[in-house]
Amino acid sequence: DAGVIQSPRHEVTEMGQEVTLRCKPISGHDYLFWYRQTMMRGLELLIYFNNNVPIDDSGMPEDRFSAKMPNASFSTLKIQPSEPRDSAVYFCASSLASGSTDTQYFGPGTRLTVL
Amino acid sequence: DQQVKQNSPSLSVQEGRISILNCDYTNSMFDYFLWYKKYPAEGPTFLISISSIKDKNEDGRFTVFLNKSAKHLSLHIVPSQPGDSAVYFCAASGSRLTFGEGTQLTVNP
Repeated sequence: DAGVIQSPRHEVTEMGQEVTLRCKPISGHDYLFWYRQTMMRGLELLIYFNNNVPIDDSGMPEDRFSAKMPNASFSTLKIQPSEPRDSAVYFCASSLASGSTDTQYFGPGTRLTVL
Repeated sequence: DQQVKQNSPSLSVQEGRISILNCDYTNSMFDYFLWYKKYPAEGPTFLISISSIKDKNEDGRFTVFLNKSAKHLSLHIVPSQPGDSAVYFCAASGSRLTFGEGTQLTVNP
């Protein structure tokens, strides 16, 4: 298996622009997670899906952020409009289940820079 | 409110010595704890875990200790190797995973 695939790997954009991050989870995994990594807060869970349905989006910072999972093999995280404070590394992860003992497999991340 | 905290942003040790990474948590409802390792330009990968019903779990050079009364866990790596140089994230699981800020470990040859 290719693992979790994320694109793009790097994104540089200007403040106010729309940014779309993409993720392909591991085939057969029912759960998909979006995280943001910053120096100050480490890895923060933004939202997660179970069988394509958003379960918990309490970590989404504000209305500028939205996430979709139209099918089992694809998810997007969109920021519109983007701001410099959104600069971070965004990770997508997937797992077979969301139970405590289930390992999450992370993609390589998208490094977002908003100028 | 940071429920999982790694107070040391960095740690440097000599090859062959022991590395001890620490993690504190505040939520007594956490019932499972994990350590993830992250190399530059890669996503975190699972390293080792421990259930709240145990106080120690060992896997090769890696041992995780849990002190529930102190709400503290630690990861011991012995002997440390240069390839262990990475960022280590502590995570705690209740209804979902909560990660700490990470500790950059550097193992010097």
